[in-house]
Amino acid sequence: GAVVSQHPSRVICKSGTSVKIECRSLDFQATTMFWYRQFPKKSLMLMATSNEGSKATYEQGVEKDKFLINHASLTLSTLTVTSAHPEDSSFYICSARATANQPQHFGDGTRLSIL
Amino acid sequence: AQTVTQSQPEMSVQEAETVTLSCTYDTSESDYYLFWYKQPPSRQMILVIRQEAYKQQNATENRFSVNFQKAAKSFSLKISDSQLGDAAMYFCAYRSPPYNNNDMRFGAGTRLTVKP
Repeated sequence: GAVVSQHPSRVICKSGTSVKIECRSLDFQATTMFWYRQFPKKSLMLMATSNEGSKATYEQGVEKDKFLINHASLTLSTLTVTSAHPEDSSFYICSARATANQPQHFGDGTRLSIL
Repeated sequence: AQTVTQSQPEMSVQEAETVTLSCTYDTSESDYYLFWYKQPPSRQMILVIRQEAYKQQNATENRFSVNFQKAAKSFSLKISDSQLGDAAMYFCAYRSPPYNNNDMRFGAGTRLTVKP
């Protein structure tokens, strides 16, 4: 089945650091990728939707300048948390799909901890 | 905006028994997709079952089946012959049709415990 690889799986860094998370579709071309944030014992909250070659569409309340999303190729999207602070600590999950009629496949998530 | 409601934060079932997890949603769209995902402690999102709204027949995947009531906007998951490995968080999800955003929204989740 389709595989989405997310890297790194865990990152711990100091406050003020910028952190980049990668999401790759390994065996299909992902025209659309999604980024979710999940707080402990909570549901997945959609942060933004990115289409290859276009600017990401952010959900209301998500800071574009804080969470930079790049979807430069059909197999890679990146989420950069800029100048991260402890409140940005969370579990971030990406998902990808080939076309609008295809299933959405999830990465294994990244646990981000800001000290 | 579409909303997905899971009214059961926690559920418990005895091994080998049957349990039903509830999900309701609110939408004005007629063509959409519904999903149940399982998230074990590893936090990997695992697709359990999916249902297209235009299909009247309820989806079934081995021990997992759904009761899709379109008019009532209800989409419950039945797990038969529960196994210890079924213990996890279960999320109900709604996905808009391709011509309208097509993003996926999740319910708050139900934590399922399976007792040996």
